[in-house]
Amino acid sequence: DTAVSQTPKYLVTQMGNDKSIKCEQNLGHDTMYWYKQDSKKFLKIMFSYNNKELIINETVPNRFSPKSPDKAHLNLHINSLELGDSAVYFCASSPTRAGTQYFGPGTRLLVL
Amino acid sequence: QKEVEQDPGPLSVPEGAIVSLNCTYSNSAFQYFMWYRQYSRKGPELLMYTYSSGNKEDGRFTAQVDKSSKYISLFIRDSQPSDSATYLCAMSAGAAGNKLTFGGGTRVLVKP
Repeated sequence: DTAVSQTPKYLVTQMGNDKSIKCEQNLGHDTMYWYKQDSKKFLKIMFSYNNKELIINETVPNRFSPKSPDKAHLNLHINSLELGDSAVYFCASSPTRAGTQYFGPGTRLLVL
Repeated sequence: QKEVEQDPGPLSVPEGAIVSLNCTYSNSAFQYFMWYRQYSRKGPELLMYTYSSGNKEDGRFTAQVDKSSKYISLFIRDSQPSDSATYLCAMSAGAAGNKLTFGGGTRVLVKP
């Protein structure tokens, strides 16, 4: 059983397009996160939601907009994609705001 | 200078050797320290979680935290080829569910 799942696994698109990545967790966790991992493997937090409420919003271009329809789902919508958005995006969840984080398999985004 | 520094490697060791990994950090507010293992094209997987200074052992893995030196270590005893992966340190000022700051990861290769 997949604990934290993401779709799609791979996404290849042109500059200027709009795309969405979806994340679902079946662990019953309250808190979910989006991270970006660049080509040098640095993982950097972008957003965090706790029970559908935004609690962490790092310095991320406002072309990126997270949406949490319920506490088991956290989606990431990206407008006007740029070359620099190419990266692996990881979703994670934790039982509470104070719990350890469990990561999904990642979505590889390539912007051409 | 990044908040968390980690040698990218690669670190190549023969099977059965002890793998020694470390991270240094600059933010004295960090209190929670984690080690994640990441296989190629997979999400990070939590290995060890430590609060404040001290040692923690779990099977072949030992994590050490020295807050006075702002230095954390992970030791893997009796290394196996299946331990070949990238190891990421992560830390936070609040509880583990708060914003994690990651090191860039050390790539480890265990040769049979």
